[in-house]
Amino acid sequence: NAGVTQTPKFQVLKTGQSMTLQCAQDMNHEYMSWYRQDPGMGLRLIHYSVGAGITDQGEVPNGYNVSRSTTEDFPLRLLSAAPSQTSVYFCASSGPGTNSPLHFGNGTRLTVT
Amino acid sequence: QQQVKQSPQSLIVQKGGISIINCAYENTAFDYFPWYQQFPGKGPALLIAIRPDVSEKKEGRFTISFNKSAKQFSLHIMDSQPGDSATYFCAASTLNNNDMRFGAGTRLTVKP
Repeated sequence: NAGVTQTPKFQVLKTGQSMTLQCAQDMNHEYMSWYRQDPGMGLRLIHYSVGAGITDQGEVPNGYNVSRSTTEDFPLRLLSAAPSQTSVYFCASSGPGTNSPLHFGNGTRLTVT
Repeated sequence: QQQVKQSPQSLIVQKGGISIINCAYENTAFDYFPWYQQFPGKGPALLIAIRPDVSEKKEGRFTISFNKSAKQFSLHIMDSQPGDSATYFCAASTLNNNDMRFGAGTRLTVKP
């Protein structure tokens, strides 16, 4: 199984540009989420979804949009990139039940200049 | 501010030694405490987890110790191996993954 697949692996943007980070999972998980990982900050939740058509904000949602049209896909959009959004982004999914383990993708390293 | 504080930031241990990473939390509503292991270029993966109804959980060389009154928990890696070299994150949450809070991470290096 592929698990959680993120594309691209690396991306460089100029300030003000927009882009979409892709995330797909093949485990039929209802719960999907986006995290950013910064040195000394751990992982912080950006947005999450408990199923197709349902999304909600996490800890650090500003500057990011999400949508969930299918169970498999959960893209993250940066509408106008800022240097503060330079980070490593991880998508994760989890199965049913309380505290199901998060399955993470291998991340997208984004640099905004 | 971070709801889960993790220390140390980095740790160097000799092969065969014991690695100890500590975490403290503030929110008494947290009742699930996982540890995630991350290798370079990969996403984190669940290593071991504990709930506060037990004070210790052991899986192979990995043990979580939990002190509910002190709001602290720790990861012990016995007989540390070079293959254990990775970044370790503690975390805490209630019943829902969407309120999980992660520590800042500890980079462990096990020297051969």
